[in-house]
Amino acid sequence: DSGVTQTPKHLITATGQRVTLRCSPRSGDLSVYWYQQSLDQGLQFLIQYYNGEERAKGNILERFSAQQFPDLHSELNLSSLELGDSALYFCASSPSGGNKETQYFGPGTRLLVL
Amino acid sequence: AQSVTQLDSQVPVFEEAPVELRCNYSSSVSVYLFWYVQYPNQGLQLLLKYLSGSTLVKGINGFEAEFNKSQTSFHLRKPSVHISDTAEYFCAVSEGAGKLIFGQGTTLQVKP
Repeated sequence: DSGVTQTPKHLITATGQRVTLRCSPRSGDLSVYWYQQSLDQGLQFLIQYYNGEERAKGNILERFSAQQFPDLHSELNLSSLELGDSALYFCASSPSGGNKETQYFGPGTRLLVL
Repeated sequence: AQSVTQLDSQVPVFEEAPVELRCNYSSSVSVYLFWYVQYPNQGLQLLLKYLSGSTLVKGINGFEAEFNKSQTSFHLRKPSVHISDTAEYFCAVSEGAGKLIFGQGTTLQVKP
């Protein structure tokens, strides 16, 4: 158990809908990362937050947004969903977001868009 | 931008045999390299990482990796694998503020 929790575990929805994925980092970690894992694109970095502020952005679609709240949990919002958004979404956390740090991954949220 | 190439998508091996999973990265002034393992239906778990110093890095579960700057490689090895090592293995490089750039993954299939 990494200490990172993600809810829900599974999500099935329809095209055009909007969903919210939630992540609670390890106790004491200030930085949260979101990754998308799909068969065609592999594991891709989406976005990073540090203590409530956006720190780095990857190939995140404009339909996707995220935020980190004062209690350090984070939410990833996916809107106008398309079939191609079906994937496993991972959240990871680290103490301060430095590039030498180990990132601890949650179990993921599996999203299926029908 | 950094990139990582895992040269084998699947590696089948018999139990108790040695294994090497290959990883090459694009060169950079300073590079921090990681190997993560993903067991079925689970998140990623760190096996080991190279930050600096000794080029031979030892990790959990008997794995080790060697950093080779001249060949821009960071291959993962285990002298004797077990059935329980069957999983997907990801090589990654840290870029910028800490985001990880992952390779495509290598599926290790350990056969009895």
